[in-house]
Amino acid sequence: ETGVTQTPRHLVMGMTNKKSLKCEQHLGHNAMYWYKQSAKKPLELMFVYSLEERVENNSVPSRFSPECPNSSHLFLHLHTLQPEDSALYLCASSQAGASGANVLTFGAGSRLTVL
Amino acid sequence: GQNIDQPTEMTATEGAIVQINCTYQTSGFNGLFWYQQHAGEAPTFLSYNVLDGLEEKGRFSSFLSRSKGYSYLLLKELQMKDSASYLCAVMDSNYQLIWGAGTKLIIKP
Repeated sequence: ETGVTQTPRHLVMGMTNKKSLKCEQHLGHNAMYWYKQSAKKPLELMFVYSLEERVENNSVPSRFSPECPNSSHLFLHLHTLQPEDSALYLCASSQAGASGANVLTFGAGSRLTVL
Repeated sequence: GQNIDQPTEMTATEGAIVQINCTYQTSGFNGLFWYQQHAGEAPTFLSYNVLDGLEEKGRFSSFLSRSKGYSYLLLKELQMKDSASYLCAVMDSNYQLIWGAGTKLIIKP
């Protein structure tokens, strides 16, 4: 596979469940991102990993927990979510530090519904 | 605060030309991006402008005026497959991307 792959594409979970979203990039990039996309709202940056170090966004609730075991894989662990967390979660990667534009390559997203 | 404004929705006719505007107020400027996102798919990179002027890439062109805090994406010879959302994003002085809410473009035959 090439590009950025996200699994699962669709997820329905109850408020007491624990689940994880997975992202894998095959582009040799050194930075990976989690974004939240809600209808008619700007993309919200949740977490960034650059050179496998986490750049934390303090406004993200602790019920979202990222993990980056290596430069190719990124996880978002979910627990005790709220219905307002229902959204499309996009993973992206880029080559941080490269000259010129820092272009993001996105995955197709994981559509999360919290009941 | 930082803000990106773009129209929520636009409609155009197949074969025509459409211009999608984006205005921004950010803390510094390190470039402006346009992405295309088809429904249910990943956003894909279209263009990057850091200097004033027009950048042309096939049927798509992107314009930037830094003094006016303004950009537009121009789509020519519209095709049905151009129906998508178009996202404008500005990189601020801290190299953080500030995103607009996107413009949904509907192409009619």
